[in-house]
Formats: sequence, C-alpha cells, structure tokens
Amino acid sequence: QKEVEQNSGPLSVPEGAIASLNCTYSDRGSQSFFWYRQYSGKSPELIMFIYSNGDKEDGRFTAQLNKASQYVSLLIRDSQPSDSATYLCAVNLYPGANSKLTFGKGITLSVRP
Amino acid sequence: DGGITQSPKYLFRKEGQNVTLSCEQNLNHDAMYWYRQDPGQGLRLIYYSQIVNDFQKGDIAEGYSVSREKKESFPLTVTSAQKNPTAFYLCASSRTGHQDNYGYTFGSGTRLTVV
Repeated sequence: QKEVEQNSGPLSVPEGAIASLNCTYSDRGSQSFFWYRQYSGKSPELIMFIYSNGDKEDGRFTAQLNKASQYVSLLIRDSQPSDSATYLCAVNLYPGANSKLTFGKGITLSVRP
Repeated sequence: DGGITQSPKYLFRKEGQNVTLSCEQNLNHDAMYWYRQDPGQGLRLIYYSQIVNDFQKGDIAEGYSVSREKKESFPLTVTSAQKNPTAFYLCASSRTGHQDNYGYTFGSGTRLTVV
C-alpha cells in the first residue's frame, strides 16, 4: 500500500528557533508534494507546495524535496507561538486520471514563548 | 468570495439514523473529495469525484454514500451501516488536472457525534 509517513513528534521548540518537520513517502513516481497547517478544531490550510528537487522558500517557510531519498521536509525559521499547530504532509501518490492526495498523520508543533 | 461551504458545523446522530453532510463550492472546481479525520489518524479518503455524475470509492467508503448531480455540490450521507461515525468530516475541491500543482481547498468541516 502506498503511504505517507510522518513519524516524528510531537515537536516542541523555543520561540525564534528553527522547526524541522519531516515526511517520507513510498512511491518513487510521486510528483507533487504539499504541506498543510491545521490549527486545533479547524480545517487544513495549504502553506507550501513543491514538485522539483531542492529547496523552495516562502517567507519563514522552506520546503525541501529529495526524490531520490523519497522525503520532503518543512523548515520554519524564527518560529512564533502562532506557528503552534499540526502540520500535515500530503503527496500525490496516484498522478493521472484519478489523481488524489494521500495525507500523513501529521506532526504537532508547539512553540514555547 | 469563492470558497467551500460545509454545513452543519456540528451534527448529532442517533443510533440507526442516516444523516447527510452538505458541501457546496463556488470555485468552479471539477474535483471534490470527502475526508474523515480521527484523532491521531490524519485524513482518510472516503469518496471523491472528478466530474459530475461520477464518483469513486476512497480507502474507507463502507457505510457512506455520495452523489454528484451538480458541479457545485457533493453531499455525503453517513448511513446506519457506519458503526463508528463520530469524527471530523472535511470536504475539499480542486481543479481537475491541476490538483497535482495546486492542492486542495478545504471547507471548514462538520463535526459528527453519535448520541
């Protein structure tokens, strides 16, 4: 079965630190990768997507993709208490006509003031 | 403003009762999805539809049914056959052929509780 795994967590970092969130996926054919942030009791919101090897930066967020090693990561620089949330990794494991995203179980991040 | 509207926000179901969760979008997206979220389980796909009048089962379709009679609407019925329906239900949509690059837009969710 094709899977997306987020095994580390929960994660606690002090304010101003870098938070590093990791995700691995099972299918080498996957082409698109997403990070969603979900606050408690709310729905997920898309914060980053990446589909080329390397880094993609957007403000304090950097997504890193390594297709050879089948992992994608999210770095949050200068972490703020407002970043405290669950972060979901999503991968398109079935690109094509019946394309759909598969989600990891999420990593809960807590930023300590 | 375009978006996805889920209703109701909270829903209580009695044993043996069928209930229907509403999902409406005005984003002109072709594809729509239903996910279920349980604590510590992440999001699990129930049903999805890429086009009007067509839909496919996801990973946990048993005990659920859907219809897609209009592009804007994708209601989910939780039947009495679903033995453990208490969960947070999320509807999402995307542009067909573009979800690979743009991901999903989610509704605000419906929290279903069995009483």
